[in-house]
Amino acid sequence: AQSVSQHNHHVILSEAASLELGCNYSYGGTVNLFWYVQYPGQHLQLLLKYFSGDPLVKGIKGFEAEFIKSKFSFNLRKPSVQWSDTAEYFCAVNAWDTGRRALTFGSGTRLQVQP
Amino acid sequence: SAVISQKPSRDICQRGTSLTIQCQVDSQVTMMFWYRQQPGQSLTLIATANQGSEATYESGFVIDKFPISRPNLTFSTLTVSNMSPEDSSIYLCSVWVETQYFGPGTRLLVL
Repeated sequence: AQSVSQHNHHVILSEAASLELGCNYSYGGTVNLFWYVQYPGQHLQLLLKYFSGDPLVKGIKGFEAEFIKSKFSFNLRKPSVQWSDTAEYFCAVNAWDTGRRALTFGSGTRLQVQP
Repeated sequence: SAVISQKPSRDICQRGTSLTIQCQVDSQVTMMFWYRQQPGQSLTLIATANQGSEATYESGFVIDKFPISRPNLTFSTLTVSNMSPEDSSIYLCSVWVETQYFGPGTRLLVL
C-alpha cells in the first residue's frame, strides 16, 4: 500500500519568505499527486494536482509543485508567502494504475506566517 | 466538476447513540468515498461506496460501526453507530470526477 510522508510538521515563516514543503510517497507505479489546503475552520481546498506531463505544476494562489519521479517527491513551493497563507497543508497520492481513486494523505504541515 | 453538500454540518451527540450523515452530489458519480479527520490529524479513508455494490472498508473500519448506503449515483449516507468520544471527528464525503472533490464535512462531537 502506498504511504505519504510530510517531513515538516510545523513551519513558521515571516511574510515574504519563500516556502518549500516536502512530500515523499512510497509507490513504484503510476501515481496522481495532490496538494490540499485547509484554512482555519474551513474545509479542504485543492491547491494543485499532477496527473501527467510537465512535472512542474502551477496551482492557485501562486503555489507550484514539482514532481521528481526518481526521488518519489512532490514538494510544494511558493516564492513569497503572505499572512493569509496560514493554514494546514496536506499532500496526497493515489495509485492510478491499480484503479484505486481514493487518496492516501500525509500527516499534514501546519504553516504559520507571521506579519 | 462536482459540488458536494453534507448534512448535518455539525452535531453534538451523546455516547451510545447513532448519527447518520448525508452526502449529496450535484451530478451522477460512480465513485464516492468517506473519510475521517480526527482532531489535529490528517484524513483517513473509512470506505469506498460505489453504487450497485457493497461498500469496501479500509483496515480498522467495520460495517457494523460505520454502515454505508449508496442508493443512487448522487447520494450516500454514513452512519456512525454506538458512538463514543473517540468518534469525535470531521467526517468528509468525497467523489472522483476526473479528480477528487471533497464536501464541507460534518463536525461531530460525542460527549
